Amino acid sequence: AQRVTQPEKLLSVFKGAPVELKCNYSYSGSPELFWYVQYSRQRLQLLLRHISRESIKGFTADLNKGETSFHLKKPFAQEEDSAMYYCALRSGSARQLTFGSGTQLTVLP
Amino acid sequence: ETGVTQSPTHLIKTRGQQVTLRCSSQSGHNTVSWYQQALGQGPQFIFQYYREEENGRGNFPPRFSGLQFPNYSSELNVNALELDDSALYLCASSPPGRGGQETQYFGPGTRLLVL
Repeated sequence: AQRVTQPEKLLSVFKGAPVELKCNYSYSGSPELFWYVQYSRQRLQLLLRHISRESIKGFTADLNKGETSFHLKKPFAQEEDSAMYYCALRSGSARQLTFGSGTQLTVLP
Repeated sequence: ETGVTQSPTHLIKTRGQQVTLRCSSQSGHNTVSWYQQALGQGPQFIFQYYREEENGRGNFPPRFSGLQFPNYSSELNVNALELDDSALYLCASSPPGRGGQETQYFGPGTRLLVL
């Protein structure tokens, strides 16, 4: 069965500092991985997906199949990046998402 | 373009009761997925509906059931409520497309409290 692990429940960094949110997965097939974000009082929304190899709001994430990781990185954190971040893996006949338990990122001024 | 909407926003029930939650998919979306998010956890997949039929199911008992209507809106029904059913229930819709590559768009959720 698939599993997504986010080892940090809480992460605080200062504005301008680099940030890395960790995500590890367990899946026997070829993984499709995503990062979702939930800002305060807003709904869950897609931030980026590995297949697109894109940078959104300065965030990037690289799939490392050897380490089964999909860490989210940003070189210079901004206060508006403060939010709950969820890593997710898509699988199954319904292409359903399996989420990690989330990391609450706080960017301090 | 209207996003995914859910009703009600909050609900309080007692053990043993039944509840129905509703979801209107985003315009043009024909697939609806339901997730349960317990406090401090990530969302957990319940089931998905496509063309009015269940298209996949997570590890939830049969007392969790659903419907999808011809306009693609959906209901989640939970019978014989238990205390552990207290959670945020999220609905997500996705557009038609190829190979299941489509993004899921989430609604704001319904918070259910079972006393």
